[in-house]
Amino acid sequence: GQQLNQSPQSMFIQEGEDVSMNCTSSSIFNTWLWYKQDPGEGPVLLIALYKAGELTSNGRLTAQFGITRKDSFLNISASIPSDVGIYFCAGQRGSQGNLIFGKGTKLSVKP
Amino acid sequence: GAVVSQHPSWVICKSGTSVKIECRSLDFQATTMFWYRQFPKQSLMLMATSNEGSKATYEQGVEKDKFLINHASLTLSTLTVTSAHPEDSSFYICSARLHLIVVGNTEAFFGQGTRLTVV
Repeated sequence: GQQLNQSPQSMFIQEGEDVSMNCTSSSIFNTWLWYKQDPGEGPVLLIALYKAGELTSNGRLTAQFGITRKDSFLNISASIPSDVGIYFCAGQRGSQGNLIFGKGTKLSVKP
Repeated sequence: GAVVSQHPSWVICKSGTSVKIECRSLDFQATTMFWYRQFPKQSLMLMATSNEGSKATYEQGVEKDKFLINHASLTLSTLTVTSAHPEDSSFYICSARLHLIVVGNTEAFFGQGTRLTVV
């Protein structure tokens, strides 16, 4: 099935550093979502974006819905060891549409 | 957020047997439930979408006779892997979408996943 282009594929950073990851698509989405998945668990919703240009924060996390509706980024500031995991972006067309996922960004944080 | 419970968390079964996985929305009614499959180090791939009281819609390439989905109520959907084979071993994840009378932005919440190993 269709997938979004998510980058980077993996990141190795030092505790305290800021992190940025993004997703792009060739087509427009009405909703962008960012999830975090820990090993052996289901994804947990971090941030949901519903309007083009919207910038939303959740603690140390900030995400933006691109103006073109074809991209979104997620920033994590002052990373901590518990930020380790795989982050997925997901796009949705319409309020009842299916989610289309990116391939994920694996984040490793060195204490 | 809303809670989606998936059971079992893991299961090991013999080749040729069938396995049933349950997905329950604990504190909300779900209009729609989704079933995903995830291979190691890969993203979630949608298998099928089920709406309460109707037949599931399967994605291309997913065998509906092998992956039976039943959505009997607004809080329960089940996925049965029939005649399981080793290549069916994977991480299966369900998600449930909140049921709203007025349709607007609705979020889907995920279960904790089921690790299926077929030996």
